[in-house]
Amino acid sequence: GAVVSQHPSWVICKSGTSVKIECRSLDFQATTMFWYRQFPKQSLMLMATSNEGSKATYEQGVEKDKFLINHASLTLSTLTVTSAHPEDSSFYICSASQRPGNTIYFGEGSWLTVV
Amino acid sequence: AQSVAQPEDQVNVAEGNPLTVKCTYSVSGNPYLFWYVQYPNRGLQFLLKYITGDNLVKGSYGFEAEFNKSQTSFHLKKPSALVSDSALYFCAVRRNRDDKIIFGKGTRLHILP
Repeated sequence: GAVVSQHPSWVICKSGTSVKIECRSLDFQATTMFWYRQFPKQSLMLMATSNEGSKATYEQGVEKDKFLINHASLTLSTLTVTSAHPEDSSFYICSASQRPGNTIYFGEGSWLTVV
Repeated sequence: AQSVAQPEDQVNVAEGNPLTVKCTYSVSGNPYLFWYVQYPNRGLQFLLKYITGDNLVKGSYGFEAEFNKSQTSFHLKKPSALVSDSALYFCAVRRNRDDKIIFGKGTRLHILP
């Protein structure tokens, strides 16, 4: 199946700093990528949908200035958590699909811990 | 708005027995339905999907799911459970081919040896 890679797998950062998480589609071109957040023992919460070359569409309640999403190429989307705080600590998962309607494949996720 | 319900937080099944993980959905029109599995500290793995056609969909690792339009259900099944099937299972729905995927809260499947 298709492969979606996330990097880093885990990261620890200090409060107030920014951290970037990358999501790459390794064997296909992803026109759409999704970013999710998952709290322990809970479901995935969709944060935003990013389409290559255009601005991301954020879900209600997600701060677009805090969670910056860039989808500059067909194989890479980045999520930058700006001015991170301990409450931003979570498991972040990206997913990608080649074309609308195709199966969506997920990355392995990135653990963010803000201390 | 579309939604997905997984009524069971956890399902316990003895190894070798058949298993069912329940899912019901609410969406206008004809839904796109999915099952994903998540192992500890990992991303989600695609199991199977229903878009159109035969109501019984076969997927990875011997899993299958039955689409029931009248009951708005898409239960995940496997004839004989393995201990390695123990994981967190998510049902998901998409309103149309261009829409976002919405996930249920997940069901933890525990296969007892």
